[in-house]
Amino acid sequence: AQSVTQLDSQVPVFEEAPVELRCNYSSSVSVYLFWYVQYPNQGLQLLLKYLSGSTLVESINGFEAEFNKSQTSFHLRKPSVHISDTAEYFCAVSPLNRDDKIIFGKGTRLHILP
Amino acid sequence: DVKVTQSSRYLVKRTGEKVFLECVQDMDHENMFWYRQDPGLGLRLIYFSYDVKMKEKGDIPEGYSVSREKKERFSLILESASTNQTSMYLCASSPSGSLSYEQYFGPGTRLTVT
Repeated sequence: AQSVTQLDSQVPVFEEAPVELRCNYSSSVSVYLFWYVQYPNQGLQLLLKYLSGSTLVESINGFEAEFNKSQTSFHLRKPSVHISDTAEYFCAVSPLNRDDKIIFGKGTRLHILP
Repeated sequence: DVKVTQSSRYLVKRTGEKVFLECVQDMDHENMFWYRQDPGLGLRLIYFSYDVKMKEKGDIPEGYSVSREKKERFSLILESASTNQTSMYLCASSPSGSLSYEQYFGPGTRLTVT
């Protein structure tokens, strides 16, 4: 079975400062990894995903995440946050090539301070 | 783009009422999911369906049922609403075959049971 842990429930950060949202997973098989974002009063949107290939994946709005197999982590980073990044971020994991469901973390709420 | 729509953004119902939440997707996806989202608990899977008329229990199916008569539509039913079912309900869909693929979410229905 798979599990995913988001180590911080809330992260406050000043505008234009860097941020890292942490995600660790547990799995006995290879996995797909995802980050979803939920803006206030909206559903979840896919931010970025790792399926295979390069371990560094990027989104169109400046976020990136790096798959680290040895540390079973998929941390999300942005070098300079904007007020519009205020949202809740969910890490998710699903097993590669198996008919099993995506497992979501409990979410990290990113607060951007002016 | 994939579009997942939910019938209501906000809903207020009384205890004991039968409640229907409707979800429609326009991308011919085989898989559809219902989650509830509560602060500090993240997303919890209620039911999912991998084909028309097929349904599977998720992690918290008690007090809920589902219906999938057409491929594009997946309904969540609260047979007798209770106050502990006050929550945000999110519908999602994903493409063919594997349940492991990324999911596309609707905007959510915030249900209040009084």
